[in-house]
Amino acid sequence: DAGITQSPRHKVTETGTPVTLRCHQTENHRYMYWYRQDPGHGLRLIHYSYGVKDTDKGEVSDGYSVSRSKTEDFLLTLESATSSQTSVYFCAISEPRTSGSLYTQYFGPGTRLTVL
Amino acid sequence: DAKTTQPTSMDCAEGRAANLPCNHSTISGNEYVYWYRQIHSQGPQYIIHGLKNNETNEMASLIITEDRKSSTLILPHATLRDTAVYYCIVRVITGTASKLTFGTGTRLQVTL
Repeated sequence: DAGITQSPRHKVTETGTPVTLRCHQTENHRYMYWYRQDPGHGLRLIHYSYGVKDTDKGEVSDGYSVSRSKTEDFLLTLESATSSQTSVYFCAISEPRTSGSLYTQYFGPGTRLTVL
Repeated sequence: DAKTTQPTSMDCAEGRAANLPCNHSTISGNEYVYWYRQIHSQGPQYIIHGLKNNETNEMASLIITEDRKSSTLILPHATLRDTAVYYCIVRVITGTASKLTFGTGTRLQVTL
């Protein structure tokens, strides 16, 4: 358990509404990530952060924005939700202490989002 | 990053060793092999990683061939709770970049 929580765990919303998902960690990890998982696509990286106010895009970043104003929280925002953003969203953290552990990531429990 | 190939699914009897293969024939010298698993509806779980040498931890063993073109994850005494999708990932270390790309993995079914 890497002290990662996600909120909400489940959400149903309507097309066009803004949605914010929160990832919270308690162990001061430097790196945080947002992934989405859909049937047939596996896990895909949306955005990641390598420090406070330092973020970068992943492979499926269109329609999403992120913010990290403090170490422990990484927020994912859907400015205007669409049905194609119905998915399970996972947050992850990593704290590379050696070069080999750079990709040792620990995942949260996930948020199931349904956009009607 | 090197491409990986894994069988789509495997079965294993409870109590027996589960040997999950991964082919990464285009791996380069500075790429690590990582294994994760995902139990239904949960977030992926890190299992083990290695570069050249075989590795063992409390969850599993990782055997990497001498030419590094393939590897095997071994769960020594599989239980029903090991039923999951197992992902083999090869990743080069590039400074601060730490993005993981998950493929479709191997679905391991452990049976009584």
